[in-house]
Amino acid sequence: DAKTTQPTSMDCAEGRAANLPCNHSTISGNEYVYWYRQIHSQGPQYIIHGLKNNETNEMASLIITEDRKSSTLILPHATLRDTAVYYCIVRGGYYNQGGKLIFGQGTELSVKP
Amino acid sequence: NAGVTQTPKFQVLKTGQSMTLQCAQDMNHEYMSWYRQDPGMGLRLIHYSVGAGITDQGEVPNGYNVSRSTTEDFPLRLLSAAPSQTSVYFCASSYEAPRQPSGNTIYFGEGSWLTVV
Repeated sequence: DAKTTQPTSMDCAEGRAANLPCNHSTISGNEYVYWYRQIHSQGPQYIIHGLKNNETNEMASLIITEDRKSSTLILPHATLRDTAVYYCIVRGGYYNQGGKLIFGQGTELSVKP
Repeated sequence: NAGVTQTPKFQVLKTGQSMTLQCAQDMNHEYMSWYRQDPGMGLRLIHYSVGAGITDQGEVPNGYNVSRSTTEDFPLRLLSAAPSQTSVYFCASSYEAPRQPSGNTIYFGEGSWLTVV
């Protein structure tokens, strides 16, 4: 299983961009990078995912390096409600362990006023 | 469209009792899975299914059984509850098909809090 490594915690000032890094040096060619977040033990909330191109949606941007060994999740204007644990996940396809998700420890992001 | 629905939300069991956590989705998703989350830890995969009649083990399958008789439902059975199974349980589902790569959004339920005393 491809593993991910994230910093345990990060702080960010409200209104500033939050940049959350993730290393996935053993990722294989058909594995996607997913980002989820979890607030107060609620169900994980989907943020964004990508294969090799940078992606952007209404919540965040995902920057994947050319060698795909690392990625960065960017929350462009962090708010207090973005305080959560953020998980970077690598997921294989159907024929790769049934597409199961393997969660790491995640990064606890604290957005401060 | 209710998404992924888990029941019960809270349950207290005595050691040795059995019970079933229910998970249902109304999105016609082929892929369903169960995770557990212990305090201060990430989610760990218990069992998963890529379609009706097909199940497989995840990282921590011991003490749990699953079956997938319909596309919609994926119940998790605790055969003989132990205090070590005290945890929060999450069910998840997504579209999936026997093709690569897999880039489908995975939807999670709101969790089931289980305490075994």
